[in-house]
Amino acid sequence: RKEVEQDPGPFNVPEGATVAFNCTYSNSASQSFFWYRQDCRKEPKLLMSVYSSGNEDGRFTAQLNRASQYISLLIRDSKLSDSATYLCAVNRGSNYQLIWGAGTKLIIKP
Amino acid sequence: GAVVSQHPSWVICKSGTSVKIECRSLDFQATTMFWYRQFPKQSLMLMATSNEGSKATYEQGVEKDKFLINHASLTLSTLTVTSAHPEDSSFYICSARDRRFTGELFFGEGSRLTVL
Repeated sequence: RKEVEQDPGPFNVPEGATVAFNCTYSNSASQSFFWYRQDCRKEPKLLMSVYSSGNEDGRFTAQLNRASQYISLLIRDSKLSDSATYLCAVNRGSNYQLIWGAGTKLIIKP
Repeated sequence: GAVVSQHPSWVICKSGTSVKIECRSLDFQATTMFWYRQFPKQSLMLMATSNEGSKATYEQGVEKDKFLINHASLTLSTLTVTSAHPEDSSFYICSARDRRFTGELFFGEGSRLTVL
């Protein structure tokens, strides 16, 4: 089993719809969780950190479920510009090593 | 925000040659830098963790003699792919942790290596 797993997609979603991704992790000792966005042939860019209480940033909401060991990302009112690959990352240890999921590809269609 | 600069962005080389990739933190000191490799449609794979002034820690399966990492200062880490072969062709990305902050990593723009 991979340490961090994501549904690779692609998710084909009409503009304006709501879409949600999950990411499961195997290390119960993980403390830090992140969602990154990666455009084609570009470096990942931090979208948001995921806190225990959940957090929201505009149209984006992230949740953490420790009991089931997964994090989720919800995108509301999706825009064409949201098309990208969304990577989840989970820390391993105290040196901020991040273990990455393979990413979920999102395609927003007009 | 913090900026990490990575060079070169693209490099094409002949099989058997060595290629050096630089990763610089431009406006912060990075005690720790990470080097990743990403093949098409795959996840970022951590290759090694580089700590300033000490030897890098390599992930299992990554040959330290082939992928030489040097982190000589708080703002610069280099990855040298020695005796490159076509199977080394990949997207190499560095990231750095600002010693003032916790959690967030800042990424370089990545270097796409093609070995002919």
